[in-house]
Parts: sequence; C-alpha cells; structure tokens
Amino acid sequence: QKEVEQNSGPLSVPEGAIASLNCTYSDRGSQSFFWYRQYSGKSPELIMSIYSNGDKEDGRFTAQLNKASQYVSLLIRDSQPSDSATYLCAVYNYGQNFVFGPGTRLSVLP
Amino acid sequence: EPEVTQTPSHQVTQMGQEVILRCVPISNHLYFYWYRQILGQKVEFLVSFYNNEISEKSEIFDDQFSVERPDGSNFTLKIRSTKLEDSAMYFCASSQDDEKLFFGSGTQLSVL
Repeated sequence: QKEVEQNSGPLSVPEGAIASLNCTYSDRGSQSFFWYRQYSGKSPELIMSIYSNGDKEDGRFTAQLNKASQYVSLLIRDSQPSDSATYLCAVYNYGQNFVFGPGTRLSVLP
Repeated sequence: EPEVTQTPSHQVTQMGQEVILRCVPISNHLYFYWYRQILGQKVEFLVSFYNNEISEKSEIFDDQFSVERPDGSNFTLKIRSTKLEDSAMYFCASSQDDEKLFFGSGTQLSVL
C-alpha cells in the first residue's frame, strides 16, 4: 500500500512569515512529486512540481525533495491571507497513478 | 487557458439509481483520471484511462463503476446503482504526458 503522509494541521502563521509544509512517502520508486493547493469546496490546483533532489523555486514557493529520506517539503515565503488553503502533496510513479496525501490546512493570520 | 470541464456541478440522486458524470478533458491531453473526495477526507484515485482503455483502477472502482470515452472529447464515469457511501465530490483530471494532473471543478454527488 503506497502511502503519502502529511500533518493535517491546521498550521497557523502570521502574514509575512514563512510557512513550511512537509510530506513523506512510502514508495521508493516514486519519481515525480507535486504540491497542490485546494481551497474549501474547490478542486486541487497544481502549484509546484519537483523531480530531482534539491530545491526548486517558483516565486514565493520553494519545493524541496530528498529521495533518500523520502521527504518532500514546500516553503511559502511572505505568506499572505490568500495562501490560506489545504495543501496536498502528491506522488507519482511512472505507469501507476498519483497518490495524494491527506493535506495540511494552512491558515495565514492577518 | 484550456481547462478540464465537468458537468453537472451538483447531482442529487436516490440510492439505487444510475448516474453519469461527464468530463471534457483538455484537448491535447492523452491521460484521463477520475478521483473522488469524501467531505473532509483525502483525494482518492478511482481509475486512469489511456489509449481508449483503463490503465489502472483502485479497489474503490468495483463493478458498479464504469468509464467511457464515447467520442473524441467526452470522458464519462457511470455509477450503476448508487449507494449512500458514494456521496462525494468527483474530480476528473487529465494530463498530457502522464504527469502534472489538471483537475476539473468537480461534481458534487449526493445520494439520498
């Protein structure tokens, strides 16, 4: 059974702070890693993808991957109230399917 | 920007009835998926579809479920005899290269 684990939260950070979201996965063969943002009642929206070890930056978002530790993280710099949402970690192994974590609820306090 | 479209946005049905959820994937995408999300729970994989056939399905996707691509644009999920526990948000998703899923806005299915 392939598992993706995340802290459910809520994670509360003040506006302007860095939010750090973590994810671990069980399938060592996983090749692609994604972060989705899901607002309440809405569909998941892709915000970051990462495929190799290290950091990948896109605007205020940085994804970090450590395959040896089976660990993915997402940093959100200068957090804004509009970043308040549930963040889903998703893991993909070629020829199989995407497995989603339960999500971490982030609350950015004005 | 191209998007995945789903209809209807809400579907209410009686237990035991058949429902068909419809999706129009992004036009140049080749891989199609159905996921569901029960309120407050995680996004769960149901089925993936490629080259006009199912490529993988989960334990949830039992004989009550079927998928079809009846023409070049639509992708449907049929639930033959709905149960109370089928109540969920159903998401269609597509991808061009079997990576980077793009989701539709979902169909909220309520089984009474």
